[in-house]
Amino acid sequence: SQKIEQNSEALNIQEGKTATLTCNYTNYSPAYLQWYRQDPGRGPVFLLLIRENEKEKRKERLKVTFDTTLKQSLFHITASQPADSATYLCALEGGAGGTSYGKLTFGQGTILTVHP
Amino acid sequence: EPEVTQTPSHQVTQMGQEVILRCVPISNHLYFYWYRQILGQKVEFLVSFYNNEISEKSEIFDDQFSVERPDGSNFTLKIRSTKLEDSAMYFCASISPKSSYNEQFFGPGTRLTVL
Repeated sequence: SQKIEQNSEALNIQEGKTATLTCNYTNYSPAYLQWYRQDPGRGPVFLLLIRENEKEKRKERLKVTFDTTLKQSLFHITASQPADSATYLCALEGGAGGTSYGKLTFGQGTILTVHP
Repeated sequence: EPEVTQTPSHQVTQMGQEVILRCVPISNHLYFYWYRQILGQKVEFLVSFYNNEISEKSEIFDDQFSVERPDGSNFTLKIRSTKLEDSAMYFCASISPKSSYNEQFFGPGTRLTVL
């Protein structure tokens, strides 16, 4: 069966360091991989999307890589700040089975805490 | 900036009662979704909706669930006879037809508590 794993439940880092979060998947051939931020009691907020034929995508302090051979995406936040503390979700879209447009399958999330 | 809104923010109901969760997606969006998140668990897809019909539904979305877009703005999720295990945050989301990124815009959620 399809499986998405974010291999850290929680990550604690010092302000100014780079946070690296990992998303692995199995039995899946996604068309897109997306990263979302979720604050407590709130809905997910879109951060970045990377397509299956892209290796890397950047946006300001954020960088995402996508390795379809390893079936893995890495999400980096450089020069991290306490305001970056949140849960980060990876989500896959598309793939085998004729799934509908936009249907997202989420990982369980990584809780990032950036200490001042 | 336009945003997805959901009402109510918190709904408490007795087991067996019907509930209707309401969403107003962003006005020019065409693809609509409901997700749920049980406390401490992952966000799970329930249903997708396009052109006034369901595109896909998950195993969770059984006969007790229904969705409707009764007018040009509202998008509702109805649970006919709630169970304790329906307690969760329910999120509505939508996608713009002009988006090149398929990014989904999520609402703030409705916390449903079934007693």
